[in-house]
Amino acid sequence: DAGVTQSPTHLIKTRGQQVTLRCSPKSGHDTVSWYQQALGQGPQFIFQYYEEEERQRGNFPDRFSGHQFPNYSSELNVNALLLGDSALYLCASSLTYEVNEKLFFGSGTQLSVL
Amino acid sequence: QQQVKQSPQSLIVQKGGIPIINCAYENTAFDYFPWYQQFPGKGPALLIAIRPDVSEKKEGRFTISFNKSAKQFSLHIMDSQPGDSATYFCAASSSGGGADGLTFGKGTHLIIQP
Repeated sequence: DAGVTQSPTHLIKTRGQQVTLRCSPKSGHDTVSWYQQALGQGPQFIFQYYEEEERQRGNFPDRFSGHQFPNYSSELNVNALLLGDSALYLCASSLTYEVNEKLFFGSGTQLSVL
Repeated sequence: QQQVKQSPQSLIVQKGGIPIINCAYENTAFDYFPWYQQFPGKGPALLIAIRPDVSEKKEGRFTISFNKSAKQFSLHIMDSQPGDSATYFCAASSSGGGADGLTFGKGTHLIIQP
């Protein structure tokens, strides 16, 4: 079992560009959540996907969007990148009935915006 | 608005000592309180979690103490080892009304000295 896998591991972008991050959930999991972790801070909830729909959303602007595919994998898209978007982006998977209780996190994608 | 306040920010303990990390929450709708451990370059991993119907939970060397009236909970690590050196995050979530994601504290950087 490969656990939660994220790609790429590191990414460097320029202000104003767009970025797509990818996540494959742990085998058997159907729910994917995305978190943003700024340096020295705890993760912050961005949104959650189940059955290919965004089910819940944290306090993030519409520049942040996502998608979930039929195989439960997910993408996080960020448009019009700002310097403040530089962070570690974490994907977490779970079973929907344990949605926040047994979250398995990937190692994240480190995004640097220059 | 920080809904989960964690202290201390950093902690140094000698091997065999008992580090204690404290968290306080504001939202009385929270009913699930996990602790996560994060090593450099990795995503957070679930250590132990508690619900408000019990005042203490122990799993191996890790113990959560929970005080519902004070809205506080803490993590104790018994017989601490250098391998426990990591960043620890408390978190909270509510199960009613859907899944809003976990709300994390800012983290405690723990160093266990040999």
